[in-house]
Amino acid sequence: DTAVSQTPKYLVTQMGNDKSIKCEQNLGHDTMYWYKQDSKKFLKIMFSYNNKELIINETVPNRFSPKSPDKAHLNLHINSLELGDSAVYFCASSQAETQYFGPGTRLLVL
Amino acid sequence: GENVEQHPSTLSVQEGDSAVIKCTYSDSASNYFPWYKQELGKRPQLIIDIRSNVGEKKDQRIAVTLNKTAKHFSLHITETQPEDSAVYFCAASKSLQGGKLIFGQGTELSVKP
Repeated sequence: DTAVSQTPKYLVTQMGNDKSIKCEQNLGHDTMYWYKQDSKKFLKIMFSYNNKELIINETVPNRFSPKSPDKAHLNLHINSLELGDSAVYFCASSQAETQYFGPGTRLLVL
Repeated sequence: GENVEQHPSTLSVQEGDSAVIKCTYSDSASNYFPWYKQELGKRPQLIIDIRSNVGEKKDQRIAVTLNKTAKHFSLHITETQPEDSAVYFCAASKSLQGGKLIFGQGTELSVKP
């Protein structure tokens, strides 16, 4: 009965590689988000999709490309990974104002 | 730009005492203010929220107050318990239809038994 799920939970990779993180929600929500939490725990919005349409893009490097195949899924693809991309990435979803977060994906770039 | 300042960054209290965390937001158009609790290695979980048409909201040991004029809002936890220990985040949003959350920097609360 998981509401917002993400895979993988952990991701360890080398600089320069390309990786993807997947997110799925079974709440029937229209809006999904990606947030980045850095090593100092600061949470910052990256992207938001509403019904598969991109509505927020917070000046994230274009190495990051979100994709929403349907309104229950929002994936994040990252090209040419850099050391500074190491963080925890949280997916979230909402129908109105309340946002529900996924369990997070801990990305470590070596 | 949009900004949310949160204080203090760390807070240590004795079990049974009260804890207060304060936030200030910059965008006067903000109208939704949630508080999230994040335990170590876990996801942020909503514990209480308040909308701009309300000045105060209470849920058992947790209360939130909002001063729109001063652009301040605060979280109050009474009768703290060790399981309240976590990082607490305030946030602000200016849309009731899935707007982005602007988070404060977080407060690490430690409740000592």
